[in-house]
Amino acid sequence: DIVMTQTPLSSPVTLGQPASISCRSSQSLVHSDGNTYLSWLQQRPGQPPRLLIYKISNRFSGVPDRFSGSGAGTDFTLKISRVEAEDVGVYYCTQATQFPHWTFGQGTKVEIK
Amino acid sequence: QVQLVQSGAEVKKPGASVKVSCKASGYTFTSYYMHWVRQAPGQGLEWMGIINPSGGSTSYAQKFQGRVTMTRDTSTSTVYMELSSLRSEDTAVYYCAREAVDYWGQGTLVTVSS
Repeated sequence: DIVMTQTPLSSPVTLGQPASISCRSSQSLVHSDGNTYLSWLQQRPGQPPRLLIYKISNRFSGVPDRFSGSGAGTDFTLKISRVEAEDVGVYYCTQATQFPHWTFGQGTKVEIK
Repeated sequence: QVQLVQSGAEVKKPGASVKVSCKASGYTFTSYYMHWVRQAPGQGLEWMGIINPSGGSTSYAQKFQGRVTMTRDTSTSTVYMELSSLRSEDTAVYYCAREAVDYWGQGTLVTVSS
């Protein structure tokens, strides 16, 4: 199975400042169809996860444009341009290239300093 | 709008089984696979498996092979996840999530305690 490794595991951020989370996969996430099925999820305290980004850089419906995704192959990044209070939570990367088997990163906790 | 509504919390004794349901609405049920994902208290997300509601085929994470069964009822647009031989480590919130993890159920807390 593909292993997803996130860094850092915890990210204290000042309100209004940027935040960045890295995700590395144990093998390339480029699918035979040419797509890269790397997504990012946000989980606020006490809530189910919510899709933010799919296929590396596409924002899901309703996701603010302060969230952006980038990367290729095995290295990916989620950036929050200016952290707001509502962004507190745990962020997960996940891969679907090895469909039907999915894997998640360990999660990165974003908290306010 | 797409909705996934799960069954309520369960308390089970070690060795028992639990069956959690996830009722889908707002889209064509048979057009999207459905995942089951669990989250132990204070821990991350763990993928358990996936079911194709169209034909009923399944694929399970190796960790759960032999203990988990995923089924569906197309007449009610509902998928089910049954986990057997429960132990305390199975205490977790269990989620269903549509194929691209774009929509999630609200979660079902399963507590395993003697």
